[in-house]
Amino acid sequence: DQQVKQNSPSLSVQEGRISILNCDYTNSMFDYFLWYKKYPAEGPTFLISISSIKDKNEDGRFTVFLNKSAKHLSLHIVPSQPGDSAVYFCAASAENGNTGKLIFGQGTTLQVKP
Amino acid sequence: NAGVTQTPKFQVLKTGQSMTLQCAQDMNHNSMYWYRQDPGMGLRLIYYSASEGTTDKGEVPNGYNVSRLNKREFSLRLESAAPSQTSVYFCASILTFDYGYTFGSGTRLTVV
Repeated sequence: DQQVKQNSPSLSVQEGRISILNCDYTNSMFDYFLWYKKYPAEGPTFLISISSIKDKNEDGRFTVFLNKSAKHLSLHIVPSQPGDSAVYFCAASAENGNTGKLIFGQGTTLQVKP
Repeated sequence: NAGVTQTPKFQVLKTGQSMTLQCAQDMNHNSMYWYRQDPGMGLRLIYYSASEGTTDKGEVPNGYNVSRLNKREFSLRLESAAPSQTSVYFCASILTFDYGYTFGSGTRLTVV
């Protein structure tokens, strides 16, 4: 039972345009959400997070939106750059940070074309 | 450089062999984690250590054991490797949850 789902395995966008990566979840107890970026042969790196008490969090070119009623979150990258080409994982926690355990989605591979 | 160091980076084992994956962090983080990444599955938690001296099972603990040797080190042991354990293994640590994990660069393990 996949509690966190990224239904698009891949996404291709043109440099300068907006990239929108989507993530759906089923567990209404999730209270914290994170996005990680992963380059080949490297570990994932933390990108941005959002608490369930918010509906938007912005950090430079990256914005995460949370729609709790739809159990959906999205990551917007504006403008997209070739260096953003990577695998993006969304992750969720249901334990208020007490243990740090995360449930990850399957990942979406983003390709930004010059 | 500060961060999470995993050794080895690559390993090939025969079915039934044992090995230990090593992980060390120098950021004074309290909590450490072992995940495995498989195609189409994302990252799945094997074991974690919320603080020094404690360890707990994650989502897929069968076939693995862990040791939190001290605050810096958290090792993962495969007692009798199976082909189903072929995967990329990532160690991670956090200081406080708001900042997300710091991951190591991974160990690519193949069991033949």
